[in-house]
Amino acid sequence: GAVVSQHPSWVICKSGTSVKIECRSLDFQATTMFWYRQFPKQSLMLMATSNEGSKATYEQGVEKDKFLINHASLTLSTLTVTSAHPEDSSFYICSARDSSVSGNTIYFGEGSWLTVV
Amino acid sequence: AQTVTQSQPEMSVQEAETVTLSCTYDTSESDYYLFWYKQPPSRQMILVIRQEAYKQQNATENRFSVNFQKAAKSFSLKISDSQLGDAAMYFCAYRLQGAQKLVFGQGTRLTINP
Repeated sequence: GAVVSQHPSWVICKSGTSVKIECRSLDFQATTMFWYRQFPKQSLMLMATSNEGSKATYEQGVEKDKFLINHASLTLSTLTVTSAHPEDSSFYICSARDSSVSGNTIYFGEGSWLTVV
Repeated sequence: AQTVTQSQPEMSVQEAETVTLSCTYDTSESDYYLFWYKQPPSRQMILVIRQEAYKQQNATENRFSVNFQKAAKSFSLKISDSQLGDAAMYFCAYRLQGAQKLVFGQGTRLTINP
């Protein structure tokens, strides 16, 4: 089956610094990727939709300047948390939509734990 | 706006027995997809089963099957012969055909008792 890889799996950073999380589709092309945030014992909250070659579409309430998303190729999207604060600590998950003609399934990465100290 | 509701925050079942997880959704559209995802302790989201709204036949994947009631906007997941490895959070999700976003329910935590 299709594989989506996220890196790093976990990261600790100091308050005020920036941290980048990568999301790669390993065996299919993904014109669209999605970034979610998940708080403990809660559902996934969509942050933004990342479109290859164009600007990301952010959900209401998500700060564009804080959560920078870049989708420079058909297999890679990155989420950069800028000027991180402890309240940004969370589990971040990406997903990618298979762009093939019959591809309607969305595959998820393994997720990334971010801890801001 | 479309919404997905999972009314059971937690469920438990004895190993080898059958359990049904409930999901209802609200939409005015007729063409859409429904999904059940499993999130084990590893936090990896795993697709369990999917259903196209235009198909009347309920989807089945081995021990997992759904009861799709389009008129009632209900999409329950039945797990037969429950195994310890089935323990996880289960999320019901909706996606409008032609749209890109998945809309998730709140999740149901399933515990399997040995």
